[in-house]
Amino acid sequence: GAVVSQHPSRVICKSGTSVKIECRSLDFQATTMFWYRQFPKQSLMLMATSNEGSKATYEQGVEKDKFLINHASLTLSTLTVTSAHPEDSSFYICSARSGYGANVLTFGAGSRLTVL
Amino acid sequence: DQQVKQNSPSLSVQEGRISILNCDYTNSMFDYFLWYKKYPAEGPTFLISISSIKDKNEDGRFTVFLNKSAKHLSLHIVPSQPGDSAVYFCAASAIYNQGGKLIFGQGTELSVKP
Repeated sequence: GAVVSQHPSRVICKSGTSVKIECRSLDFQATTMFWYRQFPKQSLMLMATSNEGSKATYEQGVEKDKFLINHASLTLSTLTVTSAHPEDSSFYICSARSGYGANVLTFGAGSRLTVL
Repeated sequence: DQQVKQNSPSLSVQEGRISILNCDYTNSMFDYFLWYKKYPAEGPTFLISISSIKDKNEDGRFTVFLNKSAKHLSLHIVPSQPGDSAVYFCAASAIYNQGGKLIFGQGTELSVKP
């Protein structure tokens, strides 16, 4: 089946530093990937839609300069949290639409970011 | 504006009984609905889906019902097993209108007791 790999699974950083999270589709090509964020006990909130070869589309309220998204190839999208602050601590999850069942998104395992 | 709502944050069921998880939505443009299961510190895993042209879809122990007029869907798990204990999210998409992005409900934590 379709597999989405996310790395790192956990990262701890100091306030003010930048952190990059990678999302890879392992056995399929994904022209579009989606980045979600989940706070404890809350829903998955869509942050942005990552489009291969073009700019990402951000949801309302998400700072594009804060959360940089790059989708340089058909199998890789990256999310960079710039100048991270403690309030950016969250669980970030990427997803992609695989070839089968076009409406179904396959999710990565998520990345837990803790900003000290 | 919460377009997809799961009003029950938690549900406790005895093993072997039926679990019914509910979900309501407000956007009439949604045409595809999905249920995902999620364990802590993991990504969601797809369970079952239903297109708006259907009112029922069944896959083993899992059945999803869609009532378009009420803008309501439900997931039935029968018989429930302890391994089903997780957080269940319903999600909706409008494939031709919003680029197919999924909007999630708040989740319902299901606990199946032996």
